[in-house]
Amino acid sequence: EVKLVESGGGLVQPGGSLRLSCAASGFTFRDHWMHWVRQAPGRGLVWVSRINHDESSKSYADSVKGRFTISRDDAKNTVSLQMNSLRAEDTAVYYCVRSNYGFDFWGQGTLVTVSS
Amino acid sequence: SYELTQSPSVSVSPGQTARITCSGDALPKQYVYWYQQKAGQGPLLVIYKDSERPSGIPERFSGSSSGTTATLTISGVQAKDEADYYCQSADSSGTYVIFGGGTKLTVL
Repeated sequence: EVKLVESGGGLVQPGGSLRLSCAASGFTFRDHWMHWVRQAPGRGLVWVSRINHDESSKSYADSVKGRFTISRDDAKNTVSLQMNSLRAEDTAVYYCVRSNYGFDFWGQGTLVTVSS
Repeated sequence: SYELTQSPSVSVSPGQTARITCSGDALPKQYVYWYQQKAGQGPLLVIYKDSERPSGIPERFSGSSSGTTATLTISGVQAKDEADYYCQSADSSGTYVIFGGGTKLTVL
């Protein structure tokens, strides 16, 4: 069974940092591109970042470029999102997502709240 | 920046056909994917590569794409289909992923 379990969310002050992690199981992790997608309360889905299977290619949405960094550890089957210089508008549920002919598996999400 | 445009809402009676559209300039070059998100739940892939249906998705869900517009069609709508539906694609270079703003399907 494919599982994606996010962790690391919480309350952080504006300008602060958080590191989200996603533990994957039930599939050959190293074969898949992985993504982060977020959803602000009551709003739509917004793609944040993606990393290819060997870390040679990473992309970011313009809204997080220069502040967020995606990485993966194939030995531990994890993908991470380091979030710096957080803003109120980064408040959202962050989903870890597997890419395989679309986003075929999603984690349950972890809530990040940026507030003073 | 590149955008995918969806109408905010669609309403249909049970048994009718719902059509949800998604427009974007790069759609002739990029596949479209569709996701269903019910209240309080995570998204579920219902259509991939314009018109393919993942295992376990009912046949009443179908997709098509022509020119700059893609369409998700739900035939014989049921009450349990009430949800937000999002299209997803990529910019013309394939570098950036983009979601449409979502369409709320209401079953009357």
